[in-house]
Parts: sequence; C-alpha cells; structure tokens
Amino acid sequence: EFVLTQSPGTLSLSPGDRATLSCRASQSVPAGYLAWYHHKPGQAPRLLIYGASSRATGIPDRFSGSGSGTDFTLTISRLEPEDFAVYYCQQYGSPPYTFGQGTKLEIK
Amino acid sequence: QLQLQESGPGLVKPSETLSLTCTVSGDSISSSSYYWGWIRQPPGRGLEWIGSIYSGGSTNHNPSLKSRVTISVDTSKNQFSLKLSSVTAADTAVYYCARPVMEWLAGGFDNWGQGTLVTVSS
Repeated sequence: EFVLTQSPGTLSLSPGDRATLSCRASQSVPAGYLAWYHHKPGQAPRLLIYGASSRATGIPDRFSGSGSGTDFTLTISRLEPEDFAVYYCQQYGSPPYTFGQGTKLEIK
Repeated sequence: QLQLQESGPGLVKPSETLSLTCTVSGDSISSSSYYWGWIRQPPGRGLEWIGSIYSGGSTNHNPSLKSRVTISVDTSKNQFSLKLSSVTAADTAVYYCARPVMEWLAGGFDNWGQGTLVTVSS
C-alpha cells in the first residue's frame, strides 16, 4: 500500500514569499497520477494540480507542480493571503488512493 | 454547472450503519465515465479516501475500512451512496462526495460536495 509523506509538517512564511512543499511516496506513483489540494476549515478541498504538473481550471499560475516517480513538489511562487491553508497530496495511480498527512502553511 | 450534495443523518449510534447519499446535478452519472468518490476527514485529522464507484457499478474501497464499506449507484436518481457498518466514534468525520477531473481515473477530485458532519455517539 502506498504511503505518502509530506514535508514539512508546518511551514511558516510571509505573503510574497516562495513556498516549496514536498510529497514523497513509498513506491513509484504510476503514470504520475499525483494531485495537490488546498484545504481551509469549513470548506471543501480545492484541486490545484493533477497529473503531477497540470493546473486545475481557474488555478493561478503562481501554483506549479513537478516531480515523478516517488518525489513530487508543489511550488507557490508568491504567497497571497488566501494561500495560507493546509495542503494535501494524493496519489491515484493505484488503490487505495491515499492522501498525505498534510502540510500546514501558516503566516509567519 | 456540476453540483454534488451529500445528505443523510448527522448522528449515528455506535455499532449501527452510517448511510449517506450524494445527489449529482449538472452531469449524468450513467452517461459519463467517471469514478465517483467518497472522502472523509475526522476532526483534527487529514483526508482519507473511502472508496469510489463507476457508473457501471464497479467499486474500489480503502482496505483500512475492511469489509464495512458498501458503495452503490442509482443512475435513475443520479445518485450514489455510501454505507459504513458497525460504526464507532473513530468514524466521526466530515464526509465528502466528489468527482475527479478526468474520466476513467479515481483521483484528482475537482468537484466536491460541501461535506456533511456525521457524529457517532449514543
């Protein structure tokens, strides 16, 4: 079974900073089927990236995804106030379609 | 515009069965090739994929939930449902239904219901 490990657990940055979030899989993710989500309390998660690097509809280009195999990265080039939230990765290449434990991006 | 809406009891007693339905509008479950999913988030914890169902009825579910999960689809009502049996307090969570961004894949959910809190308590 896949285990996705996200790091860091918490990231403290300021608006305008660059954020780099990591998602490491216990085994290679088939076909790069890796997604990233942004999640705020009381709201449904929002898909940012799918297929490791494709931006979902309406997602600003300050969000980018990269990686393959077992190592994936979400980069936010310039943080906006609304970006501070919890971020999850999910692999959907092989069931069970596990989520990582999340990275909390907080305002420094 | 695609919309998903969860419905069902907000309170379930321990050892009973949790039953939720997701009503889809703006898309036809029967005429599309999506894997419709259920995801949950216990209080203070992360997201957990519960399972997914294709319009034809084939399913996948998280083995961590063992054989407690049943996911079904009713194409005549454009709904799909989740049943989770023998619930305990650990099943208390916000439950979401969702649809992936691409057909034939069971992840990368870009359309979500608003979520419904289910509490397991006597």
